[in-house]
Amino acid sequence: QVQLQESGPGLVKPSQTLSLTCTVSGGSISSGTYYWNWIRQPAGKGLEWIGRIYTSGGTNYNPSLRSRVSISVDTSKNQFSLNLSSVTAADAAVYYCASLVAGIHWYFDLWGRGTLVTVSS
Amino acid sequence: QTVVTQEPSLAVSPGGTVTLTCGLSSDSVSASHSPSWYQQTPGQAPRTLIYSTNIRTSGVPDRFSGSILGNKAALTITGAQADDESDYYCVLYLGSAIWVFGGGTKLTVL
Repeated sequence: QVQLQESGPGLVKPSQTLSLTCTVSGGSISSGTYYWNWIRQPAGKGLEWIGRIYTSGGTNYNPSLRSRVSISVDTSKNQFSLNLSSVTAADAAVYYCASLVAGIHWYFDLWGRGTLVTVSS
Repeated sequence: QTVVTQEPSLAVSPGGTVTLTCGLSSDSVSASHSPSWYQQTPGQAPRTLIYSTNIRTSGVPDRFSGSILGNKAALTITGAQADDESDYYCVLYLGSAIWVFGGGTKLTVL
């Protein structure tokens, strides 16, 4: 069974770059069944889709974050990663990685447990 | 900018029926938006309930159902139980590979 696990620093300084990795286990990230996504949730607030990547490396981003976001994939490690530059306090959130089923039906299928990122000097 | 709208909060009595809706600020929701619904309890990751408007994922009780009601997507819980008390989020595909979540509905069972 495919599982996702986020990892990365829990504390990032303002103006620096937030970097997180999602490790996919129990299946191949290259299977072609999924797009791989990052989603975040500030404390007490709703979910926000950040962006997605396909195993070919093709990406799509939330227009509101596009200028600061980069998502990459490392198929050899079965991982995909998020970089968010020039962070501010507004970027503090629980960050989830999630799979998006691709095909006839489109929906977020599997979720990691989430990792809390705090932005503070 | 298109906003996906949900009721901020709703309440239902145990055994009762409640409908949560998911709308668009500038359009009607249709099946082409691939509406899906997610349940989240505090401190947990979201759990997928419904996709493609009305298809339940494996293990989701049949008291949860999805539909299009008027110009919105809807999630109906029939025979609500205490452990249905959660936050519920919808997400819509807006085209151009863009997905937008609604603000969520906090459901209270009392």
